[in-house]
Amino acid sequence: GQQVMQIPQYQHVQEGEDFTTYCNSSTTLSNIQWYKQRPGGHPVFLIQLVKSGEVKKQKRLTFQFGEAKKNSSLHITATQTTDVGTYFCAGSGAGSYQLTFGKGTKLSVIP
Amino acid sequence: GAVVSQHPSWVICKSGTSVKIECRSLDFQATTMFWYRQFPKQSLMLMATSNEGSKATYEQGVEKDKFLINHASLTLSTLTVTSAHPEDSSFYICSAREAGLAGGINIQYFGAGTRLSVL
Repeated sequence: GQQVMQIPQYQHVQEGEDFTTYCNSSTTLSNIQWYKQRPGGHPVFLIQLVKSGEVKKQKRLTFQFGEAKKNSSLHITATQTTDVGTYFCAGSGAGSYQLTFGKGTKLSVIP
Repeated sequence: GAVVSQHPSWVICKSGTSVKIECRSLDFQATTMFWYRQFPKQSLMLMATSNEGSKATYEQGVEKDKFLINHASLTLSTLTVTSAHPEDSSFYICSAREAGLAGGINIQYFGAGTRLSVL
């Protein structure tokens, strides 16, 4: 079945440093989504990428979808303490609405 | 934005009892809802896909008689954990996909989750 691998599992950064998490799928995806889960909270939708090579930005967050639609990345510029949480990528294959989640990257920001 | 309400947020029960968790889409219709389970510090594991008016589709390894899913309307799906045991203790999260969207749009809106503790 479809597997989505995400690295790193944990990342500790100083406030102001950049952060990147990477996602790789074992199969070609029709779309990939990114979610953020704060400690004790539930996943909150951030963005969906659909097109090959797509790049989307949300303020300090930059999301990329690979040309082969099998990998993706989330980059945060100049992290802030409000960025703390676990970031999950989730992909779905062609013709399916089911999401396969990566294991997530837990971001800690040291003030 | 779309809101999914999940209730209860926290439940403690005795071993052997059944627990029902509700998932409602408040401002949109959801033909498809999903139930996930999340263990501490782990990712979300899809348990089942709930389709309005039809039987749920369970993932491999998930006991359908243990986790009963009912999706009776376009805004409500329920998960009942039957004869709960301590190993069923977990964080259960539902999500809903808005009906009528074009095929490429696959945004799922998540409920706040239910933390189940079975004594």
